[in-house]
Amino acid sequence: DTGVSQNPRHKITKRGQNVTFRCDPISEHNRLYWYRQTLGQGPEFLTYFQNEAQLEKSRLLSDRFSAERPKGSFSTLEIQRTEQGDSAMYLCASSLVPRLWNEQFFGPGTRLTVL
Amino acid sequence: DQQVKQNSPSLSVQEGRISILNCDYTNSMFDYFLWYKKYPAEGPTFLISISSIKDKNEDGRFTVFLNKSAKHLSLHIVPSQPGDSAVYFCAASRNRDDKIIFGKGTRLHILP
Repeated sequence: DTGVSQNPRHKITKRGQNVTFRCDPISEHNRLYWYRQTLGQGPEFLTYFQNEAQLEKSRLLSDRFSAERPKGSFSTLEIQRTEQGDSAMYLCASSLVPRLWNEQFFGPGTRLTVL
Repeated sequence: DQQVKQNSPSLSVQEGRISILNCDYTNSMFDYFLWYKKYPAEGPTFLISISSIKDKNEDGRFTVFLNKSAKHLSLHIVPSQPGDSAVYFCAASRNRDDKIIFGKGTRLHILP
């Protein structure tokens, strides 16, 4: 049983650099979500896709952030000109809609540290 | 503005006893509520959910209670086991297909 995978698991970068994360959802899932979690907080919604269409973006997603899901399978999240405030755990989740229970399956996350 | 609130950052419970985790919400548009469990270095794992048309949902040792008038829900774990030690997130959404809004989490410690 292949769950949601995320790469890399850890990323250390210098302020001002660009970073890109990848998420591979569960294969039959049509929904893919990105969340960000900082210390002492719960996951905060960033954006989500239904197949390849990006349906909603949070106010948290500044212009430096861009997400894609070009073929409706894997997704990438890019952060340009990283800032120290971008340091966080970036979580990806996937689900199949419609269904009885909106159970989102989470990946292990990518921990970003901006120096 | 925190729409889902978990006011207890941590909770310690003796093994075998009942663990009760509480959650309050402010958005009356929420229609669907979930609990997730998270171990260190792993993503959150879905535990149990409840629709606003119900006031109780049970799954094995886990029961979620919903009080809509008070905008309050709770998760009961009976009996508590060592493997239950984790961070528990309360979450809510406007419907089954919408994004999920999470609380800050409660760290549960099960004491031997």
